[in-house]
Amino acid sequence: DVKVTQSSRYLVKRTGEKVFLECVQDMDHENMFWYRQDPGLGLRLIYFSYDVKMKEKGDIPEGYSVSREKKERFSLILESASTNQTSMYLCASTGGTGMFGQYFGPGTRLLVL
Amino acid sequence: GQNIDQPTEMTATEGAIVQINCTYQTSGFNGLFWYQQHAGEAPTFLSYNVLDGLEEKGRFSSFLSRSKGYSYLLLKELQMKDSASYLCAARDSNYQLIWGAGTKLIIKP
Repeated sequence: DVKVTQSSRYLVKRTGEKVFLECVQDMDHENMFWYRQDPGLGLRLIYFSYDVKMKEKGDIPEGYSVSREKKERFSLILESASTNQTSMYLCASTGGTGMFGQYFGPGTRLLVL
Repeated sequence: GQNIDQPTEMTATEGAIVQINCTYQTSGFNGLFWYQQHAGEAPTFLSYNVLDGLEEKGRFSSFLSRSKGYSYLLLKELQMKDSASYLCAARDSNYQLIWGAGTKLIIKP
């Protein structure tokens, strides 16, 4: 079974703090994704990566950056957290043709005060 | 623009059948996915359609019409554990997933 893990299930941070969210997958998948999910909205893609050290902006990259130094690990960084970044953050990975969809981690619920 | 539409909420009775519809508009098309998401949990993959027709998988079936930009997820013999949100996602020509907002399915005894 594919396993995608995220470093924290719940986080509380203060406005202006730098926040690191880490994601690790154990299936040697090439592609990794970071989404945020807010009530009433679909999953919105923040960044994705299709290879080590490669990154591509998604639909809402502003205020975020990412790092992929190793194939299995994809980190999301909030450079200076703001209250409008309070959300559920979901990491996902997929390999090959992706016909089995994306495999998601359990999510990190971030509250920025 | 790219867009996915699905109902916000549906209610059904335990043991019954429910159909959740999804319409999509994407730049190119490379498949339609359905996911299930229980409250507070991550989405889990249910089905994938790339050709027209019905794909059956136990109590769940998914249908696709590419010409109409339309899909549905059919759930039979509903159980209380099927109470969840169901997410429709279409993959575009860049192999990116475009997500609907999800349909919250409420099952009543």
